[in-house]
Amino acid sequence: SQQGEEDPQALSIQEGENATMNCSYKTSINNLQWYRQNSGRGLVHLILIRSNEREKHSGRLRVTLDTSKKSSSLLITASRAADTASYFCATDTGRRALTFGSGTRLQVQP
Amino acid sequence: GAGVSQSPSNKVTEKGKDVELRCDPISGHTALYWYRQSLGQGLEFLIYFQGNSAPDKSGLPSDRFSAERTGGSVSTLTIQRTQQEDSAVYLCASTETSGVYEQYFGPGTRLTVT
Repeated sequence: SQQGEEDPQALSIQEGENATMNCSYKTSINNLQWYRQNSGRGLVHLILIRSNEREKHSGRLRVTLDTSKKSSSLLITASRAADTASYFCATDTGRRALTFGSGTRLQVQP
Repeated sequence: GAGVSQSPSNKVTEKGKDVELRCDPISGHTALYWYRQSLGQGLEFLIYFQGNSAPDKSGLPSDRFSAERTGGSVSTLTIQRTQQEDSAVYLCASTETSGVYEQYFGPGTRLTVT
């Protein structure tokens, strides 16, 4: 099964609302990253949170990490139609490559 | 500077044919990764190159898949005797160091096997 599993699989909200996506993983990590993907093409890195960090902010993004629960959340505040995309968490477990979850598809209605 | 580029952007091939997918990483990036993404799914790791070290091929799904990286830069992923289940988007990424930090992705190659 996937190291990272996002929840929900799909989310539809109105512009201006906040969007929260969750990620759970199974093994110890060095860091956890969130990526965004538009239209099934290349991914764009959003934010990285290290295993010794609990919360990180970047613009309208807020990421939390709870290593005791092996979970992370991504909050997008004041969402915009342009935020419509798929969002993936990816874990660095010490392997050479990141392990990606199956993603949350976010739809922001204008 | 230029980002990661991949070619072709789309490839339609008949079952049984061989295909080659190309990736140009960001200049100076020492690590290069190939992933596969099936429709609506997450990314599946295929292979990793780091400098002149032997590549990590642990993610390649069968011996029909191979990849090389010439001169520590451009990489080619080759799929021999393509099958319909090979249809997916193939993504390439590169990173600046050997550590797993932020990965820079190319736009991908959408492969369709008919």
